[in-house]
Amino acid sequence: DTEVTQTPKHLVMGMTNKKSLKCEQHMGHRAMYWYKQKAKKPPELMFVYSYEKLSINESVPSRFSPECPNSSLLNLHLHALQPEDSALYLCASSPWLPHYLLAGGRDTQYFGPGTRLTVL
Amino acid sequence: SQQGEEDPQALSIQEGENATMNCSYKTSINNLQWYRQNSGRGLVHLILIRSNEREKHSGRLRVTLDTSKKSSSLLITASRAADTASYFCDSGGSNYKLTFGKGTLLTVNP
Repeated sequence: DTEVTQTPKHLVMGMTNKKSLKCEQHMGHRAMYWYKQKAKKPPELMFVYSYEKLSINESVPSRFSPECPNSSLLNLHLHALQPEDSALYLCASSPWLPHYLLAGGRDTQYFGPGTRLTVL
Repeated sequence: SQQGEEDPQALSIQEGENATMNCSYKTSINNLQWYRQNSGRGLVHLILIRSNEREKHSGRLRVTLDTSKKSSSLLITASRAADTASYFCDSGGSNYKLTFGKGTLLTVNP
């Protein structure tokens, strides 16, 4: 199974709502990522989890709260979002193989199809 | 700040033609990789080229790297309508952070 799945595919929420985005992979990857992508822009990294611990937070506002319950699951909890937070939210995973870096390689990231979020 | 920049920003060709897009970057790299994104979907890793490689092939894809010019090119031969997508290069060099430019939007007309 080389697939990263994301649910829901589309989400519409009000500014006072609380919702969650879910991401799942069964490739045994030890790193998982959240990206945000606005229209006609490249994806921007939000969070990185490695071995189920938050490794990187790219100065994301606290209204976005990530959670990694286990090595296969990654959630993004949303609360009090703003209309400008409307975007495509992408999840990715990667093996996290530090030794590969020494050979000039990279940890290939595998992306899910994304959740299209609209904040009203 | 972004490391790489793809050009052209948009490219429209007929099915069967070849498509070439370029990536320029600013600082030295260990490797560079290309990703494809179909409209509104997730990204798909296409190919990685190391700094000591000059050319690499994968199916209909050919990637070149010129470290002296800090540039790379992606050639798609015998294009198909299904190749219609945005193409991004990542030259950021970080294991966890992909650093893309604005991408090249390729449209392959049937």
